[in-house]
Amino acid sequence: EAGVTQFPSHSVIEKGQTVTLRCDPISGHDNLYWYRRVMGKEIKFLLHFVKESKQDESGMPNNRFLAERTGGTYSTLKVQPAELEDSGVYFCASSPYRRAAADTQYFGPGTRLTVL
Amino acid sequence: GQQLNQNPQSMFIQEGEDVSMNCTSSSIFNTWLWYKQDPGEGPVLLIALYKAGELTSNGRLTAQFGITRKDSFLNISASIPSDVGIYFCAGPPRGGGSQGNLIFGKGTKLSVKP
Repeated sequence: EAGVTQFPSHSVIEKGQTVTLRCDPISGHDNLYWYRRVMGKEIKFLLHFVKESKQDESGMPNNRFLAERTGGTYSTLKVQPAELEDSGVYFCASSPYRRAAADTQYFGPGTRLTVL
Repeated sequence: GQQLNQNPQSMFIQEGEDVSMNCTSSSIFNTWLWYKQDPGEGPVLLIALYKAGELTSNGRLTAQFGITRKDSFLNISASIPSDVGIYFCAGPPRGGGSQGNLIFGKGTKLSVKP
């Protein structure tokens, strides 16, 4: 069974540009999460989808970030316009249960975003 | 909001040595999770703890859920080079947020000298 995949693995952009990150969860997983780790800091929750619906987006930093999950399969996270402080590693995780449980999340390898 | 403090931030040890790290919080957690992140990979769950005082092992790894529910410990016995990585503690926030989102510590970076 394929794990959670993320694309691209690395992205280097200039301040003010737009970047779109993609996450493909494990097939059949209804729950999809986005997290971000800024260098040296903790991994922070951004948002949670249940199928195509946003269950919780309390961790989204500001309105420059837009997440979508059309059709309840893969998800995209767009940053527009990117700022220097957006640099970090963006992780996606998915969970198979209808009722999300903390210990059932499978993480992707992350996308390392560098904003210059 | 709730925070998790991990110590130490980094460790440099000799192969074969035992390792201890901990995670503390000013507030109570009902579940403690320990993850390991290998370079270039995402975090992988090592051990999950659900009850105060619980002691759980996974091979050479042993983790404990503190009695106060405000701390947890991870020990690695007889370290080997593949133990290298970043170890994160995590737990679901109490009283809010969607079910399943996690709070993480800043991680303990482990380096093992052969």
